[in-house]
Amino acid sequence: TQLLEQSPQFLSIQEGENLTVYCNSSSVFSSLQWYRQEPGEGPVLLVTVVTGGEVKKLKRLTFQFGDARKDSSLHITAAQPGDTGLYLCAGSEGFQKLVFGTGTRLLVSP
Amino acid sequence: GAVVSQHPSWVICKSGTSVKIECRSLDFQATTMFWYRQFPKQSLMLMATSNEGSKATYEQGVEKDKFLINHASLTLSTLTVTSAHPEDSSFYICSARTQGLYGYTFGSGTRLTVV
Repeated sequence: TQLLEQSPQFLSIQEGENLTVYCNSSSVFSSLQWYRQEPGEGPVLLVTVVTGGEVKKLKRLTFQFGDARKDSSLHITAAQPGDTGLYLCAGSEGFQKLVFGTGTRLLVSP
Repeated sequence: GAVVSQHPSWVICKSGTSVKIECRSLDFQATTMFWYRQFPKQSLMLMATSNEGSKATYEQGVEKDKFLINHASLTLSTLTVTSAHPEDSSFYICSARTQGLYGYTFGSGTRLTVV
């Protein structure tokens, strides 16, 4: 059972468009991380959010952690083809194991 | 930075044979490592938590006799897929807890194909 549900599952957009990916759970997490994964490779960490309501920015990416620490969002401004990949949220339970969300596959076309 | 090396990166084996995958922390000690499985176009599913010097903790639905995990040192955890079958074909990824409360580093994965 996946504890973290992501939406949408798949997103195909044109270069320059904005998008938001959502990560929702009924569980409270100690921390939540966002990763990006390329085919045939391990996931690469983008950001870690810890405090409820926290907002972090990484260039064109904005991450938000819900006030109750159950959900998170990733917003990409002016998407580029290089942003194409599988985006995964992951929640840490008790600072131990990391459980991944269902994933969002993003395709940005030129 | 912390690096986790996973080997082999890909392997093809015959049905009924066993395959061992290694996960090494190169520049840090990892008392806890995690093993994930990922099917095509799906997310990572946690299989087990590997603790140095003790038995692994398996997630519900994962056969511990089929997926043997050994974490004999602070830098090495191994996953052995025993009596592999085609349905075991998947992408297996390990990760390790790194320094800092929220640190996890991932290996580059192993593509297992059972024919």
